[in-house]
Amino acid sequence: SQQGEEDPQALSIQEGENATMNCSYKTSINNLQWYRQNSGRGLVHLILIRSNEREKHSGRLRVTLDTSKKSSSLLITASRAADTASYFCAPGKGNKLVFGAGTILRVKS
Amino acid sequence: SQTIHQWPATLVQPVGSPLSLECTVEGTSNPNLYWYRQAAGRGLQLLFYSVGIGQISSEVPQNLSASRPQDRQFILSSKKLLLSDSGFYLCAGSGTGDNEQYFGPGTRLTVT
Repeated sequence: SQQGEEDPQALSIQEGENATMNCSYKTSINNLQWYRQNSGRGLVHLILIRSNEREKHSGRLRVTLDTSKKSSSLLITASRAADTASYFCAPGKGNKLVFGAGTILRVKS
Repeated sequence: SQTIHQWPATLVQPVGSPLSLECTVEGTSNPNLYWYRQAAGRGLQLLFYSVGIGQISSEVPQNLSASRPQDRQFILSSKKLLLSDSGFYLCAGSGTGDNEQYFGPGTRLTVT
């Protein structure tokens, strides 16, 4: 399906460490997006990578996309306590995004 | 970019009562609009999306309905709420093209 599946389900790291989250999907896509959700809040768009792109950077975020393996990864470098949140990948095709269950990231200070 | 407004932030309703959640969009014209529901600790389930006034696509059979009476207004309704309708409801909007979505703050609905 178009739905993204994130791995791991939960991740706990120390402040300053890097955090890597992975996403797999099963169908062809136009793009893949990553979102962050703080507890009890709406989602915030982080980054979009198109199907013809392999890597994209935005500040401390680095996203890769491998369409042959149907997978993506989100790397957050030099993590901060404020990065504590749930992170969702959303493969995009047409008008719809299909969100996975997310990765819960906890950054300990 | 767009701003999505949703209200109320929280709502407690008895089983069998009606529901109306409103979402409005600021900062763009002719957006695609979406309603999602999120169960506790889970991902988002797409309920409805709309590409224009009066155009509604339903993703899952359920006790809910949606309407888009104006370009920047999207309404989620139910005639009679069920316990299983409890959850966190999120409205989102996007433009055409890459469909990056902007989310509202959400409404936490508890059906008792």
